[in-house]
Amino acid sequence: AQTVTQSQPEMSVQEAETVTLSCTYDTSESDYYLFWYKQPPSRQMILVIRQEAYKQQNATENRFSVNFQKAAKSFSLKISDSQLGDAAMYFCAYRSAFTGGTSYGKLTFGQGTILTVHP
Amino acid sequence: EPEVTQTPSHQVTQMGQEVILRCVPISNHLYFYWYRQILGQKVEFLVSFYNNEISEKSEIFDDQFSVERPDGSNFTLKIRSTKLEDSAMYFCASSISNQPQHFGDGTRLSIL
Repeated sequence: AQTVTQSQPEMSVQEAETVTLSCTYDTSESDYYLFWYKQPPSRQMILVIRQEAYKQQNATENRFSVNFQKAAKSFSLKISDSQLGDAAMYFCAYRSAFTGGTSYGKLTFGQGTILTVHP
Repeated sequence: EPEVTQTPSHQVTQMGQEVILRCVPISNHLYFYWYRQILGQKVEFLVSFYNNEISEKSEIFDDQFSVERPDGSNFTLKIRSTKLEDSAMYFCASSISNQPQHFGDGTRLSIL
């Protein structure tokens, strides 16, 4: 079974600064997807960024980028030019790329990291 | 942009009562999911549903839980006899194959 670990329960950053949230995972699969989801106080789950394991290039979405280290099974999220609206709980999640079997489609989440942005 | 819609946003139920949580997935999506998040904890997978049947379920999804797609648009989660520990936020999600899952805003279930 796959596991996802976020070792930072809380992080804080000054507005306009950069912060990196850590995530590690464990899997025996070679092809999979990794995601970062944002959960603001309203408790919606909002997709921030996605990475396919077969792609070596790190995904980027505007101010959000990842550092994907497949061999180390590490998937960190970097938020540049932090804004007050970035304050939220951030979840790292794993999903198998394979269809069928016993694990198709489901997301396995980490414990989450609460990000505070100071003005 | 199409959205996953969940109703109600908040449900308060007496312990032992049945509750049905409703979801309208995005119309062209084929894969449907329910997740649960107990307050302050991580999001946990409950069940996935494809082609009108359960494709996978977790240990949490015991005989008290059931899912149904009664028509072409709704996807429901039923808890037959609620327990205090069922109090949580329940999220519905849908996707097309290997595309990212889109989540609804959740239903907050409070068991008294």
